[in-house]
Parts: sequence; C-alpha cells; structure tokens
Amino acid sequence: GAGVSQSPSNKVTEKGKDVELRCDPISGHTALYWYRQSLGQGLEFLIYFQGNSAPDKSGLPSDRFSAERTGGSVSTLTIQRTQQEDSAVYLCASSWRVAVTEAFFGQGTRLTVV
Amino acid sequence: ILNVEQSPQSLHVQEGDSTNFTCSFPSSNFYALHWYRWETAKSPEALFVMTLNGDEKKKGRISATLNTKEGYSYLYIKGSQPEDSATYLCAFMTGYSTLTFGKGTMLLVSP
Repeated sequence: GAGVSQSPSNKVTEKGKDVELRCDPISGHTALYWYRQSLGQGLEFLIYFQGNSAPDKSGLPSDRFSAERTGGSVSTLTIQRTQQEDSAVYLCASSWRVAVTEAFFGQGTRLTVV
Repeated sequence: ILNVEQSPQSLHVQEGDSTNFTCSFPSSNFYALHWYRWETAKSPEALFVMTLNGDEKKKGRISATLNTKEGYSYLYIKGSQPEDSATYLCAFMTGYSTLTFGKGTMLLVSP
C-alpha cells in the first residue's frame, strides 16, 4: 500500500485477555517503530526494528509485551493478560533509514481494556 | 533515558499571529532531530528532519532552526492560520538510540 497500515483501528478487550496489533509498513522501509500514547501523555517508545539487527526492546513496559517482525516487513505487537493501564493508542511508524529520513506513521490502533 | 523537553506545553494565538516553540535535547551524541505535526484524528506527519548544527529548514510559513552544541531547536510559524492548529512534536536521536519524542506543544489558532 501507499502508507503504513495498522489493524485493527479499534479494539475493545476484557482485562486478562491477549491482544495482537498488526502493522504493515511501507514496502522497502527497513526501520519500524512501535509507540503508544496513553491519555494525556506523549508518545512513549516501545520497540524498534532495524533491518536484520536485534530489535531495541528497551521501551517495552513489561514482559507481557512482545513484538516480532516477520521477513523484515509486517510486525505484530502482542500484549498478554491485558490490564486497564494498557489502554492507549498504539502507533506504528516506518522509515527508509533510521534518523536521517522521516518516519511515516500509521493511523494507530485504539486499545480499550475494560 | 533521553530527555526531550518541549515548551510551551500549549499555546493559543489569533489568526495572523506568528509563534515559535522550543525543543531541548541532550547535546552529546547528536544524530538527528525531527519535527512532526499531529492533527486530531490523524497520524503524525513529518515537517523536518535536521542533522547538521546550524541547519535551517523551511516549508511554506513554517521554519525550523537547529543548535546541536547547546541542544535546542526552534520551530516558527509565520502568520498562523486555523489549519495550523495541531500538536507539534520534536523527536531526537543519538547514534545509539531510537527516536525519542517530546510531549509536544499543542497549538490552537483562533479565527
């Protein structure tokens, strides 16, 4: 596609359930980022993939969060045993070359844990 | 943990006013500084990517400057219009880190 695509756009889940959020980056982009924005907060870094290098997972808030990027393209962010504090907008972004080119963002997934 | 500070937190101006925001970042190990505009119900969109000390970038009525030695960047909007209303984010990167965003400056331009 022409841009970064995220699915689902909205997800309501019960506390304790697992959720998977998907990101399709722009074709050819080697860098992929996951961020989240909780209510009233800024963009919080979660995880970063760059080519075939080991991902930077330093932003993942707990071991309930994990992410993978298959074939250097599609990425899935998984949250296990969701908690109410996981409610946020989860944004994915991709870029050609990290830092020196702009990042293109998807529309985000709004996750609500009830 | 990298600290990226943006000020002011929010700003309300009248149509036609010029305004500017500040982004402060660590001055060591600088690699790049990005500015994004985030309109309500949309995705953040890049305005500028700046990599060199002294860089000045311009896009229409919006411009930005960069001082890597002292660790700050300014974003200027000349003659603000209601459609400029958005949150303006800066993001900083060292050679060893990912993009770290500030909390943004929320701009409201009234007609």
